[in-house]
Amino acid sequence: NAGVMQNPRHLVRRRGQEARLRCSPMKGHSHVYWYRQLPEEGLKFMVYLQKENIIDESGMPKERFSAEFPKEGPSILRIQQVVRGDSAAYFCASSPDRYEQYFGPGTRLTVT
Amino acid sequence: AQSVAQPEDQVNVAEGNPLTVKCTYSVSGNPYLFWYVQYPNRGLQFLLKYITGDNLVKGSYGFEAEFNKSQTSFHLKKPSALVSDSALYFCAVRDKDFGNEKLTFGTGTRLTIIP
Repeated sequence: NAGVMQNPRHLVRRRGQEARLRCSPMKGHSHVYWYRQLPEEGLKFMVYLQKENIIDESGMPKERFSAEFPKEGPSILRIQQVVRGDSAAYFCASSPDRYEQYFGPGTRLTVT
Repeated sequence: AQSVAQPEDQVNVAEGNPLTVKCTYSVSGNPYLFWYVQYPNRGLQFLLKYITGDNLVKGSYGFEAEFNKSQTSFHLKKPSALVSDSALYFCAVRDKDFGNEKLTFGTGTRLTIIP
């Protein structure tokens, strides 16, 4: 069973561009979570989704950030008009049962 | 509200000695507790969890953790440290209330095992 897949692993964007991060959960997992990790800090929850539904987006910035988990295909975290402060590692996790969360390798976003 | 404290940024242990990485938590209700390990430029790997039942939880790679409700702690332990255990360790908590799915992480403890 392949683990959680994230791509790209590294993403460089200029200020004002859009960043699109993808996450494919483990097979059979219908719960997806996105977290952000700033350098030398722990992970901060952003959003929790089930197929086609956003369940909890209390950690998402109110503007420029959006997430989806369509019926078919990966979950997408989109950041519009990126700014330098968006530079971070973004981790996706999936779960079969809302207990253990299995993390992907992360996407490291650099905004120049 | 839920929170986690890892009071030590850095822990150094000689190879072969026992190790402890400390974690205390705060939740409104009862906790689900987790330990994860992160190697450089990698995602988090699940080590162990406490959901209910026995307070001593055994996990991957010989690690274990003890849930102590009165002290609101969930310290990670291993009887004999290996150099390969050197990594960044995160404690996480989730409140058992239905609908609260997010994990809250501590700031991490960097464990260095000295040969």
